[in-house]
Amino acid sequence: KQEVTQIPAALSVPEGENLVLNCSFTDSAIYNLQWFRQDPGKGLTSLLLIQSSQREQTSGRLNASLDKSSGRSTLYIAASQPGDSATYLCAVRPGETSGSRLTFGEGTQLTVNP
Amino acid sequence: GAGVSQSPRYKVAKRGQDVALRCDPISGHVSLFWYQQALGQGPEFLTYFQNEAQLDKSGLPSDRFFAERPEGSVSTLKIQRTQQEDSAVYLCASSSRLIVIRAETQYFGPGTRLLVL
Repeated sequence: KQEVTQIPAALSVPEGENLVLNCSFTDSAIYNLQWFRQDPGKGLTSLLLIQSSQREQTSGRLNASLDKSSGRSTLYIAASQPGDSATYLCAVRPGETSGSRLTFGEGTQLTVNP
Repeated sequence: GAGVSQSPRYKVAKRGQDVALRCDPISGHVSLFWYQQALGQGPEFLTYFQNEAQLDKSGLPSDRFFAERPEGSVSTLKIQRTQQEDSAVYLCASSSRLIVIRAETQYFGPGTRLLVL
């Protein structure tokens, strides 16, 4: 059974700091990996999606990397802003052709202080 | 609408009561998913539809949980004889205008927060 772990569970940083969120998964046979953002009382917003054949994806101040063989992904946030405060979730999609469910980690709660 | 909508947004139920949660996916989306998110946890998969067909219901925690999507658009998640451990946020997601596009992301609704007293 796929298990996804995110470290740290919570992180508080001053504005402007660069930071790294970590995600690990136990079964490397994945189709893709996604990073989501969740704001309180709201649904999930997809930030970056990395296919299993890719090493990284970038969007603005966000960069996500994937090392499939070691079962790890990182989300790098540059020059953090108070508006980045949210819970960040990592999710993997299985590699078998019929697999569509996402398996999520427990999330990292990020607070960026002005 | 432009996104996935869910109703009600909040539901308080007495233990033993039946509840029905509604999901309106993005128009034309083939795939629809239900997830359960307990407080402080990540979402956990419940069930998956492709059009009206329920292809995977392995995540439903008990036979008290039932989901349907009779016309391949709106879906309802029903929980019978609710118990306190059913308290959670229930998230709906949809994706893929075309079945073969597995790389497309899932678009999530705001969720229904269920509290069972």
